[in-house]
Amino acid sequence: GQNIDQPTEMTATEGAIVQINCTYQTSGFNGLFWYQQHAGEAPTFLSYNVLDGLEEKGRFSSFLSRSKGYSYLLLKELQMKDSASYLCAVIKAAGNKLTFGGGTRVLVKP
Amino acid sequence: SQTIHQWPATLVQPVGSPLSLECTVEGTSNPNLYWYRQAAGRGLQLLFYSVGIGQISSEVPQNLSASRPQDRQFILSSKKLLLSDSGFYLCAWSEYSNQPQHFGDGTRLSIL
Repeated sequence: GQNIDQPTEMTATEGAIVQINCTYQTSGFNGLFWYQQHAGEAPTFLSYNVLDGLEEKGRFSSFLSRSKGYSYLLLKELQMKDSASYLCAVIKAAGNKLTFGGGTRVLVKP
Repeated sequence: SQTIHQWPATLVQPVGSPLSLECTVEGTSNPNLYWYRQAAGRGLQLLFYSVGIGQISSEVPQNLSASRPQDRQFILSSKKLLLSDSGFYLCAWSEYSNQPQHFGDGTRLSIL
């Protein structure tokens, strides 16, 4: 099976930086996804890492280390609208499905 | 561009009643299709996925079923709903298995 762990909740200040960690244990790793989900809404795709290293997309960056089974999502210059849950999900090589972590709820305060 | 439609947005059903949720995708052919359920404050649980017409894989035993009668149509059904079936149901599609999944707006199902 797959174990995906991420913190339950984080609080940060507007304009600051927050790093959301995700660790996973899986056989046949084939990629890691990050999604953003505002309360009551559907998840929206943020980033995809399949090779080690950092992927940057504007204020959001995602890092992957396959040897450590570790990823993080970095949110810079936090805005109030960034208050949401952030979901880490892993896909196996031999399969058609994503396994999601429980999500990290980020609260941005003024 | 591709779009995914899911309906209804909210649904209140009595225990023991049947269920049918529909999801359609536009702008792509032969997509992978998925049904998820999300309990309040919890992560997403994959219920079913389909890689083609008539091909359904079930991930968890339950009283739900799924069907794919057309290439871009995915239906979630139940003959008799249980209280535990309450939740937020999400349909998603992807181009291939290792590509990002894109979600519909979801159906919030309440069982009374």
